[in-house]
Amino acid sequence: EPEVTQTPSHQVTQMGQEVILRCVPISNHLYFYWYRQILGQKVEFLVSFYNNEISEKSEIFDDQFSVERPDGSNFTLKIRSTKLEDSAMYFCASSVTGTGGLYEQFFGPGTRLTVL
Amino acid sequence: LAKTTQPISMDSYEGQEVNITCSHNNIATNDYITWYQQFPSQGPRFIIQGYKTKVTNEVASLFIPADRKSSTLSLPRVSLSDTAVYYCLVGANTDKLIFGTGTRLQVFP
Repeated sequence: EPEVTQTPSHQVTQMGQEVILRCVPISNHLYFYWYRQILGQKVEFLVSFYNNEISEKSEIFDDQFSVERPDGSNFTLKIRSTKLEDSAMYFCASSVTGTGGLYEQFFGPGTRLTVL
Repeated sequence: LAKTTQPISMDSYEGQEVNITCSHNNIATNDYITWYQQFPSQGPRFIIQGYKTKVTNEVASLFIPADRKSSTLSLPRVSLSDTAVYYCLVGANTDKLIFGTGTRLQVFP
């Protein structure tokens, strides 16, 4: 069964450093998402991406964050200058369609980001 | 987006049927009701989605009354591996999923 993959599974970084989290969505999917979950808290939407541009972003997704689809398979989340409060599990998701009707977002296993 | 309310936690024993009810009084006409499951340290996983009446798949059933102001996720004969957090989501714009705190289901042997 096709699945979303994410690398690395765990990333440790120093405050102020840049990190890039990588995701490979399911190959025929057109919509891509990033979510995060701080330990013990809710899953929070960060950004959605379609047709090579951001379609929606949350207030969490400020200028420190960026997303890119550098080739036909990868989808990346970059945090330019990490803060302690960026420590969380980051989930990538993808879906075939983004509007209406029966839809399902497929989530990857997550990258645990620890900012020291 | 319609606000949802569901129990914070539930306990059950293996082999029992578990029903988790979600209240969504402000559901809009074009909203769908979707349930996701999340195991510890894993991403959420889609379980089932419905608009009205009853939907059943190999994992669960979803009961939606005529007024659509609530819905019930039914898990038949749970096992230890069903221990997870279950989220009820209501919406039509699928460009993002808004998760609440969910219901933490603990299944005991």
